[in-house]
Amino acid sequence: QSALTQPASVSGSPGQSITISCTGTSSDVGSYNLVSWYQQHPGKAPKLMIYDVSKRPSGVSNRFSGSKSGNTASLTISGLQAEDEADYYCCSYAGSVVFGGGTKLTVL
Amino acid sequence: QLQLQESGPGLVKPSETLSLTCTVSGGSISSSSYYWGWIRQPPGKGLEWIGSIYYSGSTFYNPSLKSRVTISVDTSKNQFSLKLSSVTAADTAVYYCARRKIVGPTFFDYWGQGTLVTVSS
Repeated sequence: QSALTQPASVSGSPGQSITISCTGTSSDVGSYNLVSWYQQHPGKAPKLMIYDVSKRPSGVSNRFSGSKSGNTASLTISGLQAEDEADYYCCSYAGSVVFGGGTKLTVL
Repeated sequence: QLQLQESGPGLVKPSETLSLTCTVSGGSISSSSYYWGWIRQPPGKGLEWIGSIYYSGSTFYNPSLKSRVTISVDTSKNQFSLKLSSVTAADTAVYYCARRKIVGPTFFDYWGQGTLVTVSS
């Protein structure tokens, strides 16, 4: 079972928007809306940011949004802030649990 | 507030068995709404799901690790445990325990702080 494919890094300036993609297959990302996104700051445990492709847990800023098309899920962060600089991981629960390889977001 | 805490040796010799325990406080491990899982992260690398267990003892493992992994649960102590056999340097990682919601939406909502396990002689 291969990890989902994410870009290694993305960057953006404060106030801008960025999108991180997460590509899987018809057996995982493409099969059900069972995709979540996690934010991880250095030395910290991951934090849930998006679940069921596009839903936000209570307390997560509405600057974070998710979507999916076919076998690719996406996380968009609008109005970038310095505190958004972190690693981001997608995760699919269709069948087994598989994470993406992670994307390092740099806020310039 | 639910809390999860990993415990176990921070150093394991190659070919031996890695053993970790996750103690759950502030809630019951015997809830029908959750699985309890282990996820690891090698230094500087991404997250890898190891496996999960239901309070009844049903287990689900990553196919790539299945032959070496055993996850068990002790509901009387509100704990679940991980054993990974025949370890090599590639098993050096921060090991997290986490709760996965399985009724309705599914996701890992509570995580332990993580514990670094180094495999070295």
